[in-house]
Amino acid sequence: NAGVTQTPKFQVLKTGQSMTLQCAQDMNHEYMSWYRQDPGMGLRLIHYSVGAGITDQGEVPNGYNVSRSTTEDFPLRLLSAAPSQTSVYFCATGTGVTEAFFGQGTRLTVV
Amino acid sequence: AQSVTQLDSQVPVFEEAPVELRCNYSSSVSVYLFWYVQYPNQGLQLLLKYLSGSTLVKGINGFEAEFNKSQTSFHLRKPSVHISDTAEYFCAVSSPWNSGGYQKVTFGTGTKLQVIP
Repeated sequence: NAGVTQTPKFQVLKTGQSMTLQCAQDMNHEYMSWYRQDPGMGLRLIHYSVGAGITDQGEVPNGYNVSRSTTEDFPLRLLSAAPSQTSVYFCATGTGVTEAFFGQGTRLTVV
Repeated sequence: AQSVTQLDSQVPVFEEAPVELRCNYSSSVSVYLFWYVQYPNQGLQLLLKYLSGSTLVKGINGFEAEFNKSQTSFHLRKPSVHISDTAEYFCAVSSPWNSGGYQKVTFGTGTKLQVIP
């Protein structure tokens, strides 16, 4: 039982490049979300999903796209990377009622 | 709108001493409150949560927190810390009244606990 798996763990991108951060869960949770963590700012919600085929924007959605074709997977796409998107990205399952289970994070640097 | 304030960005404490990490929240409705811990290069994991009932909540690793509605606080305490408690701690709040079945969680900015041998 892996829980929440994020790949890759580290990534360096050049400004303007695109990429997809992968998130997979084997917990059969309906709710999945993406956060970014920046020093002194805590975790900020980027996008979330309440089930396959349903996604919505969080607090800081600009520059990111998501889709949810299956219960297990919730990829985050950076359309055209910018230095301001340098951050640590966390995928999580669960809501603010139940416990949220977090992946190990993806450390992204945009140069 | 809901918000969380963790005033202390860093808290140094000697091993075996007690510690309190402060958390204050703001919300116009009832709240659910959480404390998460993040060890270096790892994701967050739940320490404890308050949904309703007893205002004193016990969590893992000997931590506890007390919900104080009048002071809008949810401070985290441990009577005797260990080196292994060195980590970053996040307070979080959500509301049971959000629509759509997804309760958005608002996180504080974190407090780094440094346990000194």
